[in-house]
Amino acid sequence: ETGVTQSPTHLIKTRGQQVTLRCSSQSGHNTVSWYQQALGQGPQFIFQYYREEENGRGNFPPRFSGLQFPNYSSELNVNALELDDSALYLCASSRGALGGEQYFGPGTRLTVT
Amino acid sequence: QKEVEQNSGPLSVPEGAIASLNCTYSDRGSQSFFWYRQYSGKSPELIMFIYSNGDKEDGRFTAQLNKASQYVSLLIRDSQPSDSATYLCAVNKGGNTPLVFGKGTRLSVIA
Repeated sequence: ETGVTQSPTHLIKTRGQQVTLRCSSQSGHNTVSWYQQALGQGPQFIFQYYREEENGRGNFPPRFSGLQFPNYSSELNVNALELDDSALYLCASSRGALGGEQYFGPGTRLTVT
Repeated sequence: QKEVEQNSGPLSVPEGAIASLNCTYSDRGSQSFFWYRQYSGKSPELIMFIYSNGDKEDGRFTAQLNKASQYVSLLIRDSQPSDSATYLCAVNKGGNTPLVFGKGTRLSVIA
C-alpha cells in the first residue's frame, strides 16, 4: 500500500459527458501527477501539480484539466468525453524537489460508451 | 524511435531461474530510472530506482544502468510464480519531471 488513494474505482460514462476523478496524495508528498494508461500500453503523462500550480503538461487536449488543493489532494476533470478516453487513470504522488520517486494509487477505470 | 523501448514479451522463465528484463531510452538528458511491477488489473508498484551508473541491489532484485549505452536492466534472482507480472521501465530528467514509460515486458514464471 502506497498511501495514495483514488476515487471512484470504476466509472461508466456516455460520450459527451463530463467526469471528475479524485486523488489523495501520500502523507508528506506535495506533488501529484496524473497518467492515462490504455490497455496494453505504458502510462502516459497528462499533467502534474506542485503546491497547487500546474507544473507540466503532456500531449493532452485542454478538455483535460485539473486542480490541486491546499492539502495536496487533486482532481482530474475531463469534459466532452470521447470513446478513446476509456482507460485506467492513475494518480502518483511524490515529494517534489526532495525526491523523484512517484508512487501510484490504485487507479480509476473509466469506460466511455 | 520511441523514447523508452522494452521487449513486450512474454518472457518465460522457470521457477528459481534469473529473469533479465531490458530497457533502452533515447533521451541522453535522462537522469533517473525506475522499474515498476504491474499485476493484471492493478496499478504500477515501484520496485527499484537507480540514478548512477552501475548496479543497485535490493533483495532478489538488481537494477543495472549504463548511461553511455542508454540501457537499463532489471535482474530478478530466484524467480517465483508470484513475480509473474508486467514490468514497466520509466525514465525522467530528475527531480519533479514527468515519467516516460515503456510499454512493459510481460514476465511469466513457470512452476
